[in-house]
Amino acid sequence: QKEVEQDPGPLSVPEGAIVSLNCTYSNSAFQYFMWYRQYSRKGPELLMYTYSSGNKEDGRFTAQVDKSSKYISLFIRDSQPSDSATYLCAMSENYGGSQGNLIFGKGTKLSVKP
Amino acid sequence: DAGITQSPRHKVTETGTPVTLRCHQTENHRYMYWYRQDPGHGLRLIHYSYGVKDTDKGEVSDGYSVSRSKTEDFLLTLESATSSQTSVYFCAIRGQGQETQYFGPGTRLLVL
Repeated sequence: QKEVEQDPGPLSVPEGAIVSLNCTYSNSAFQYFMWYRQYSRKGPELLMYTYSSGNKEDGRFTAQVDKSSKYISLFIRDSQPSDSATYLCAMSENYGGSQGNLIFGKGTKLSVKP
Repeated sequence: DAGITQSPRHKVTETGTPVTLRCHQTENHRYMYWYRQDPGHGLRLIHYSYGVKDTDKGEVSDGYSVSRSKTEDFLLTLESATSSQTSVYFCAIRGQGQETQYFGPGTRLLVL
């Protein structure tokens, strides 16, 4: 079993829909959780960062962490065609993953249709 | 823009030839990383550096070596390229006190 599981999709939704992206993990020591967005043929860019359990909101994006269930989610409200990208979850035991221990999911490809 | 450039951006090479990829940062950050990204595998860490001349192996380090002689440059070398090393290579950086890693634009490598 991989440490981090993420449904690769693809996920196709109409413009304006609410999108839910999820990752599950097995390592209970993970404390820091990130979502990266990656446009086609580009590098990943940090979208959301959360520590421990709880919710974090930034505009149309909400990140949720449920450590008891080992489950994290990213919600996108009022989705736009510009949100079409691959979304990668990532997590680590240590702050910043400085010891090289940032673990990524395989990514979910999202397409938002006008 | 995280102040990272990668060169070359695209490269086609033949099996058995040496290849060096360069990551250059303008942020003077301490930590630098090399990842490869492949369909079905996601991002996997190859090597990372925590300072000049200080490097360590990641999950998929076999067949790769790295060097960091200056803070701003982190080089990834494939001593003898194989077709299994065809991939997209990303460099990432992290500054002391920063919460996570920031990625460069990537290098697409095709080994024939």
